[in-house]
Amino acid sequence: NAGVTQTPKFQVLKTGQSMTLQCAQDMNHEYMSWYRQDPGMGLRLIHYSVGAGITDQGEVPNGYNVSRSTTEDFPLRLLSAAPSQTSVYFCASRRTLVETQYFGPGTRLLVL
Amino acid sequence: AQSVTQLGSHVSVSEGALVLLRCNYSSSVPPYLFWYVQYPNQGLQLLLKYTTGATLVKGINGFEAEFKKSETSFHLTKPSAHMSDAAEYFCAVSGGPDSNYQLIWGAGTKLIIKP
Repeated sequence: NAGVTQTPKFQVLKTGQSMTLQCAQDMNHEYMSWYRQDPGMGLRLIHYSVGAGITDQGEVPNGYNVSRSTTEDFPLRLLSAAPSQTSVYFCASRRTLVETQYFGPGTRLLVL
Repeated sequence: AQSVTQLGSHVSVSEGALVLLRCNYSSSVPPYLFWYVQYPNQGLQLLLKYTTGATLVKGINGFEAEFKKSETSFHLTKPSAHMSDAAEYFCAVSGGPDSNYQLIWGAGTKLIIKP
């Protein structure tokens, strides 16, 4: 089991560029989430999915899109990068709503 | 709305001393409570969780936490700190059905171990 994998590990973008952060899990988990982590603010939920084809917005969804075409993959798209999106992004998955959430290693994004 | 408060963004203890990290929550539904640890430049991993049953929960690396409903608290403790415990610790509570039980996170407490 690779668990939750994320690519890339580090990315530098210019303002206005778009990109996709990849997330995959091999544990057959229904529930997947994207978070951003900023100093002193803990984790903030961007988008989440409760199964293939079903996504919903979290606390800070503006500027981000997601889709869930398979159980395994949950990519996060930045439509037009802004310096305010400089952050560390974590993908997570869990089997049920009360079970352990497993995190990927994170993607560090710098927007210039 | 649910919320989580972690008292102290930084906590410093000497090696061998008691570790106490505080977490208070507000929840309109019976809570599920979690503590996660994040080592530098890594993702988060579960330390322990409370769902139902015994209110004193034991986790990995000698940590434990006690759910106190009357105080709406879930403080994390370890009797004797080790240098390897230096990390950031996050408390989280599950939201209710209106948020699909998504986790609400505290801001984190950075634990510093003095030799």
